[in-house]
Amino acid sequence: DTGVSQDPRHKITKRGQNVTFRCDPISEHNRLYWYRQTLGQGPEFLTYFQNEAQLEKSRLLSDRFSAERPKGSFSTLEIQRTEQGDSAMYLCASSLAGDPPYGYTFGSGTRLTVV
Amino acid sequence: LAKTTQPISMDSYEGQEVNITCSHNNIATNDYITWYQQFPSQGPRFIIQGYKTKVTNEVASLFIPADRKSSTLSLPRVSLSDTAVYYCLVGDGTGANNLFFGTGTRLTVIP
Repeated sequence: DTGVSQDPRHKITKRGQNVTFRCDPISEHNRLYWYRQTLGQGPEFLTYFQNEAQLEKSRLLSDRFSAERPKGSFSTLEIQRTEQGDSAMYLCASSLAGDPPYGYTFGSGTRLTVV
Repeated sequence: LAKTTQPISMDSYEGQEVNITCSHNNIATNDYITWYQQFPSQGPRFIIQGYKTKVTNEVASLFIPADRKSSTLSLPRVSLSDTAVYYCLVGDGTGANNLFFGTGTRLTVIP
């Protein structure tokens, strides 16, 4: 297993276009998370899945954002009608569920630039 | 939401031990303390996690006093490659919305 993979690594899009990012978690991990990070800030939580169920969504996740995790494997994050404020690094992470909690394994992210 | 407070930045010379302290005054009984490291253009990397007292792994040590309102990440004999941002988080692992990364501590290791 090569860790958490994200595709694409970079995406430049025009304002108003839709974009979709893909995340392939570590295969045995049942939890998957999406974060957004802007320059100089820490990652901000967007949403979280346990298997195929989306269990939490941040209030940051506007109606233009949607995430799916069909069959509890890979996940996609779609942003509709992109705005310049959506420019950021989008990070995916996965973990096992457990007590004590397991640490997250992050991917290298998808850097989105909206022009 | 158990937020944390860390120094914004720290400098250290190569070969020295670095201690980064994090305050988490409103930590809950079930919360664990976790530290991540992040290099530019990469996702954060898990370093260490603890609940109380001391935890040590091959990379770092984590010291947690009895009241658990703070914790200290200790990096022994840092090298230039340890230059990164270090985040302290607290949470109970039952969800993700209660994990707040904050702005972290930017550690710069000087030759």
